[in-house]
Amino acid sequence: EAQVTQNPRYLITVTGKKLTVTCSQNMNHEYMSWYRQDPGLGLRQIYYSMNVEVTDKGDVPEGYKVSRKEKRNFPLILESPSPNQTSLYFCASRMGQGGPEAFFGQGTRLTVV
Amino acid sequence: DQQVKQNSPSLSVQEGRISILNCDYTNSMFDYFLWYKKYPAEGPTFLISISSIKDKNEDGRFTVFLNKSAKHLSLHIVPSQPGDSAVYFCAAGGSGTYKYIFGTGTRLKVLA
Repeated sequence: EAQVTQNPRYLITVTGKKLTVTCSQNMNHEYMSWYRQDPGLGLRQIYYSMNVEVTDKGDVPEGYKVSRKEKRNFPLILESPSPNQTSLYFCASRMGQGGPEAFFGQGTRLTVV
Repeated sequence: DQQVKQNSPSLSVQEGRISILNCDYTNSMFDYFLWYKKYPAEGPTFLISISSIKDKNEDGRFTVFLNKSAKHLSLHIVPSQPGDSAVYFCAAGGSGTYKYIFGTGTRLKVLA
């Protein structure tokens, strides 16, 4: 089954404690991205990756890092989380340039206290 | 500056009637538009798209209309079903883009 898998689904952490949200896709897609969803703001892109070792900033990259060492994985790293990063996070993938964001993960609800 | 706007946060429609969800955009460089549906505790699901060379695209009960001069698109769902109750997001981007701008979403409730 084609899917994008995020882990964990729910996470409560404390300010400043480094964390990683994993994202994996099984469709050999070149393109992956991370979004956050906040009330009244919709989905905003954090980072995207066009292929292995190729990443770029989206609209709200501050406070986040990503890496793309393998095609299937695209982890989101919060080196020093702050309460304003409390949000619902989605990973997405698609085959390549153009076309819709075809597949989204189920989301990770992060709370930073 | 919100480049993609969904001005109606919510909409209620009777089962069997038409649901019309609206979306406005400001960037004239956008030429590819999409609609997504999102249920609680799930990721968004791609519904339908349209490129700027068309003004209408249909897929079953879902039709998207694009009015380029007004920078407006709409999603029509006919007939509406209770299972259509969800949050709907529109998104826009340039052709061949790696990046889409999403609207804030409209919560549709279809009443049985």
